[in-house]
Amino acid sequence: SAVISQKPSRDICQRGTSLTIQCQVDSQVTMMFWYRQQPGQSLTLIATANQGSEATYESGFVIDKFPISRPNLTFSTLTVSNMSPEDSSIYLCSARTSGSLGEQFFGPGTRLTVL
Amino acid sequence: QKEVEQNSGPLSVPEGAIASLNCTYSDRGSQSFFWYRQYSGKSPELIMFIYSNGDKEDGRFTAQLNKASQYVSLLIRDSQPSDSATYLCAVDGDYKLSFGAGTTVTVRA
Repeated sequence: SAVISQKPSRDICQRGTSLTIQCQVDSQVTMMFWYRQQPGQSLTLIATANQGSEATYESGFVIDKFPISRPNLTFSTLTVSNMSPEDSSIYLCSARTSGSLGEQFFGPGTRLTVL
Repeated sequence: QKEVEQNSGPLSVPEGAIASLNCTYSDRGSQSFFWYRQYSGKSPELIMFIYSNGDKEDGRFTAQLNKASQYVSLLIRDSQPSDSATYLCAVDGDYKLSFGAGTTVTVRA
């Protein structure tokens, strides 16, 4: 298994500012992902964080709004840029232990409120 | 992301009963299937994943997969009040998980 930590656990931000969320995994993992979960909703994949290269974004999510870094096999960051109240959500980091048949775990999430 | 449908809830079962959760998916090429439990205000917790047709048991949980019918289920035996949570079905496609809307289970003491 993999233990994932995220910082911050929650934040309240002003409209137009940016927030960077950090994700740390306790072991090397093949794949890392960022998800969003809006209140009362299920999880939506934002992007796959690729080590050493640009992230792969899902439809509806763009790099300018959600820049992602992954400098090594255990760490990734997600920035939510130029925030608006619609960005208020829980952001979850996720990691897969190995390949297509590996287990996938989630971090505790970052609860973001934009005023 | 691919379509994943779960049986609508909420599902209420008495303590000690079997809770049955169902999930269908649209992508025949999906390789692996996950069940997560999510308590209110917490992140999803992996219960089981399955990738071969048939049953997979882990304690009180049994996952059943039928790729021909594009169907995966989760049975919770001897349900306990601590099993009260939302259960999310997730389907792997190209190494990315697509999630169902979730089924909320309440176990009545």
